[in-house]
Amino acid sequence: DAGITQSPRHKVTETGTPVTLRCHQTENHRYMYWYRQDPGHGLRLIHYSYGVKDTDKGEVSDGYSVSRSKTEDFLLTLESATSSQTSVYFCAISDQTAEAFFGQGTRLTVV
Amino acid sequence: SQELEQSPQSLIVQEGKNLTINCTSSKTLYGLYWYKQKYGEGLIFLMMLQKGGEEKSHEKITAKLDEKKQQSSLHITASQPSHAGIYLCGADSTFMDSNYQLIWGAGTKLIIKP
Repeated sequence: DAGITQSPRHKVTETGTPVTLRCHQTENHRYMYWYRQDPGHGLRLIHYSYGVKDTDKGEVSDGYSVSRSKTEDFLLTLESATSSQTSVYFCAISDQTAEAFFGQGTRLTVV
Repeated sequence: SQELEQSPQSLIVQEGKNLTINCTSSKTLYGLYWYKQKYGEGLIFLMMLQKGGEEKSHEKITAKLDEKKQQSSLHITASQPSHAGIYLCGADSTFMDSNYQLIWGAGTKLIIKP
C-alpha cells in the first residue's frame, strides 16, 4: 500500500472555527490533491499541488486554502468552517505514472 | 469488509476498438462511481450509478450497474487516444451512516495504440 495518511480521521468542530487537515505521504510523489466526497456526488477537487509551494485551485475551492511547505505534507485549511463543509475529505497523491493513491479519508462534521 | 475488484488491471487497445472494464463488489453497492485519472489532472468524474439495472452514457462511454448491484461495467466504444488513462471505480460501502467510507478499486490502466 502507498504510504499516505490523513489526520485526523474524524473531527467535529463548531461553525466559524478554523480547521486544518493534514495529508502526509512517504512516497515522494510530486502531485497531491484534496477532494471532498458528499452523498450522491462524485469526488470534487478542492485544491491540488504540483510541487513544494506550487498549488492551484480546483472546482470547489471557496472557503478553503492549502499549503505545501514540504514534499511530504499537504495541509487543507477551512478558514471559517460552515455547515456546508461537513463532508468526507480525501487526500490523493500521484507521480509521473498518473496512478493515484488515496488516503483513508477524514470525516468532518461542522455543528 | 467490502472490497472492489477491477479487471483487467491493464489494457492495451487498438484505436477504434471497443473495450470493457469491470468492477465487482463483494457486497451490495449503494452507489458506484467511475473516475478517470490522467497525469497531473487529478480525478475526472465520469458517472455515478445507484439503481440496479441503471445505465448511463457520457459521450462514447457507457456504464451499467447490474440488477443485483454487485457489479458494474464500463464500456468504451470506438476508443480514441483521449480515452487513455487510469479508470477507477469507487463505491459507497454503506448509506452514509456513521460507518460511511468510500472504497476504491485498484484501477485499470488503459493504453490506446494508434
